[in-house]
Amino acid sequence: GNSVTQMEGPVTLSEEAFLTINCTYTATGYPSLFWYVQYPGEGLQLLLKATKADDKGSNKGFEATYRKETTSFHLEKGSVQVSDSAVYFCALSEGDYKLSFGAGTTVTVRA
Amino acid sequence: GAVVSQHPSRVICKSGTSVKIECRSLDFQATTMFWYRQFPKKSLMLMATSNEGSKATYEQGVEKDKFLINHASLTLSTLTVTSAHPEDSSFYICSAPATGERGYTFGSGTRLTVV
Repeated sequence: GNSVTQMEGPVTLSEEAFLTINCTYTATGYPSLFWYVQYPGEGLQLLLKATKADDKGSNKGFEATYRKETTSFHLEKGSVQVSDSAVYFCALSEGDYKLSFGAGTTVTVRA
Repeated sequence: GAVVSQHPSRVICKSGTSVKIECRSLDFQATTMFWYRQFPKKSLMLMATSNEGSKATYEQGVEKDKFLINHASLTLSTLTVTSAHPEDSSFYICSAPATGERGYTFGSGTRLTVV
């Protein structure tokens, strides 16, 4: 079956630091890959996505590249801000609207 | 647009009682709603898929008599945890397919604590 493994948190960073959250997946076919973000008190929001190998998703300064050879979709941001403090979820879908999620990584950015 | 409102955000209940969690689609019609559960430091796990006007489809290992799902209208889906026990304490979150690039829209989740 499908599964997603992402690095455990919590992660604490200073403003302007570089952020990487690792995500690897197992899937039977060719999934679409997603990063969702949940800010305190809010629902999950789509941050970025990639639908095929070598695609790069980007949004709000975050990037992730769909690497089929390493079955990875690592999230990166070059310079984080306090407002990036949130829980980040890696997820995959194989087209039936069912999402398989990672455990989530809590990121705290300090001023 | 495409907002799902989930209530309550937190609930504490005694063992043996039932708890109802509601998810409402505020500005669109949700013919399908997904219900997820998350244990501490674990992934969100899909519990069931509810479809308006028909019976919910439960994932393997999820007790349908314990987690009652009702999707009686295009804007409301409910999850009732019946005869709750401490092991049911978890974070429950709903999601509906949304049009456009987002793909899905999520409720803000319900933290259930059974004491």
